[in-house]
Amino acid sequence: GAVVSQHPSWVICKSGTSVKIECRSLDFQATTMFWYRQFPKQSLMLMATSNEGSKATYEQGVEKDKFLINHASLTLSTLTVTSAHPEDSSFYICSAPVGFEQYFGPGTRLTVT
Amino acid sequence: TQLLEQSPQFLSIQEGENLTVYCNSSSVFSSLQWYRQEPGEGPVLLVTVVTGGEVKKLKRLTFQFGDARKDSSLHITAAQPGDTGLYLCAGRYSSASKIIFGSGTRLSIRP
Repeated sequence: GAVVSQHPSWVICKSGTSVKIECRSLDFQATTMFWYRQFPKQSLMLMATSNEGSKATYEQGVEKDKFLINHASLTLSTLTVTSAHPEDSSFYICSAPVGFEQYFGPGTRLTVT
Repeated sequence: TQLLEQSPQFLSIQEGENLTVYCNSSSVFSSLQWYRQEPGEGPVLLVTVVTGGEVKKLKRLTFQFGDARKDSSLHITAAQPGDTGLYLCAGRYSSASKIIFGSGTRLSIRP
């Protein structure tokens, strides 16, 4: 199956700083990628759809100025959490579609202190 | 509002028992996937169903897509401790490519 990678796998940052998370499709091109957030013991919640060469589409309630998404190439999408606060601590996961299916990255655990 | 409801939310059973997890929605999906997720990892795709009434088998796991493509079930036969994990159903609407996840079922198999 298709492989999606994320970097970093975990990050700890101080409140008020910004953190960038990368999502790469390793063996296929992805014009669309999805970013999810998952809190402990909960399911995945879609945050935004990243579109190569155009603006991302954000789900209701997700602040686009806080969660900046850039999809600069067919294999890379980045999510930047700006001015992070402890409540932004979560597990962030990206995915890319291949046909009917979605392939997920291994996730990035963000802890804001 | 959770568009895809899974039941049960939690299930703890003895090794060797059978179980069924349900995924229900009021919406029609063009396709539905089942994933299994381990702690600290991304979801891993188990199966995709696209045709109403479709049944797919993956070793001891049997997946069924409802005739109306609004619901699905996952049946595990003779559960093993290695089946422990979070099981997620996810549906994709006909008119959009994004996937919506169900609420999840946390399964624990006791040896």
